[in-house]
Amino acid sequence: SYELTQPPSVSVSPGQTARITCSGDALPKQYTYWYQQKPGQAPVKVMYRDTERPSGIPERFSGSSSGTTVTLTISGVQAEDEADYYCQSIDNSGTYVVFGGGTKLTVL
Amino acid sequence: QVQLQESGPGLVRPSGTLSLTCGVSGASITNRKWWSWVRQSPGKGLEWIGEIYHDGSTNYNPSLKSRVTISVDKSKNQFSLNLSSVTAADTAVYYCAREERTVAGTAFDYWGQGTLVTVSS
Repeated sequence: SYELTQPPSVSVSPGQTARITCSGDALPKQYTYWYQQKPGQAPVKVMYRDTERPSGIPERFSGSSSGTTVTLTISGVQAEDEADYYCQSIDNSGTYVVFGGGTKLTVL
Repeated sequence: QVQLQESGPGLVRPSGTLSLTCGVSGASITNRKWWSWVRQSPGKGLEWIGEIYHDGSTNYNPSLKSRVTISVDKSKNQFSLNLSSVTAADTAVYYCAREERTVAGTAFDYWGQGTLVTVSS
């Protein structure tokens, strides 16, 4: 079955830049979406179509894509950004939704 | 504003069937959207279970396909999940969500608050 691979954890100090990667064979052909999830809450979309930011999401969130890897970048990380982040895409057939395993962002 | 609300038993016996319903308000379930179920085991990541369109078309996660049925009730503007032969591994928070599926891919734009279902005797 198709899988998306994320690092389990990323740690940064406030004000630094956090980069969270997501790798998958189908990513050159399928867009990736990113969700932020805080404890006890439903996920919230923070990036769509690899690089587009939904309204209401701070400008410090950005996305990029290169080959089979997409990256969520948070510039000038703030304490409130501490959360789990999940990438999500679809398989090559365009049928099955897939989530990455999630990355826990810790703000030191 | 679109709102989704999960409902159903919080406790299911092993080998039984987990049944949940997602009520949709603020939008018609017959809009050109797909409606999904996603779950999250305690301390674990998100797992897509499956989806349904208002015409009854479905897609299921291959790893769960043999046990999952998703149905839609247009008259009540809701959709439902049945998961059979449950075990402790099915203990999770279950979310319903609305999908925006386009040629550019598919993403979730509205989520329910989630409901914890525990499988235990």
